[in-house]
Amino acid sequence: KQEVTQIPAALSVPEGENLVLNCSFTDSAIYNLQWFRQDPGKGLTSLLLIQSSQREQTSGRLNASLDKSSGRSTLYIAASQPGDSATYLCAVDPNTGNQFYFGTGTSLTVIP
Amino acid sequence: GAGVSQSPSNKVTEKGKDVELRCDPISGHTALYWYRQSLGQGLEFLIYFQGNSAPDKSGLPSDRFSAERTGGSVSTLTIQRTQQEDSAVYLCASSLDGTRAYEQYFGPGTRLTVT
Repeated sequence: KQEVTQIPAALSVPEGENLVLNCSFTDSAIYNLQWFRQDPGKGLTSLLLIQSSQREQTSGRLNASLDKSSGRSTLYIAASQPGDSATYLCAVDPNTGNQFYFGTGTSLTVIP
Repeated sequence: GAGVSQSPSNKVTEKGKDVELRCDPISGHTALYWYRQSLGQGLEFLIYFQGNSAPDKSGLPSDRFSAERTGGSVSTLTIQRTQQEDSAVYLCASSLDGTRAYEQYFGPGTRLTVT
């Protein structure tokens, strides 16, 4: 069974700092990996989707990388802002089965 | 355009009662997922619908849980004889199709509290 781990569980940074969130998974046989943000009491908002054949995806200040062979993905946030404060989740879509496997998330606080 | 919607947003029920949770996926999306998010836990897959195919029910935790999807659109998750451990946020997501080349879009969730 695929296991997804996110480290750190919580992170607090001053505004303007660049930061990296980590996601690791145990089985490299994946179809794609998706990063989400979740605001308190809300559903998940998709940030980036990386197909298994890709190495990275970029959207604005966000850059996600994927190293399938080592079972790792990172989400890089440049010039962090207080509005980036949220919980960030990664989800792995394995080659078999229909379910996505989610990490427990990293809770990010950007201090003004 | 309209996103995934879920109702009710909050539901408080007494132990032993049945509840129904509703999900309206994005129009045209053929893939629909139900997840459960318990406090301090990751998202737990419950069930997957793709078009008219038989649903993947492998994530349903017990036979008290069931779901249906009418007309390939709206889905209802039913929990019978609710227990306190059923308290969680129930999230629905849809995707354009089941090829998994497309992102999942999530609804705001239904917070279920069983007293």
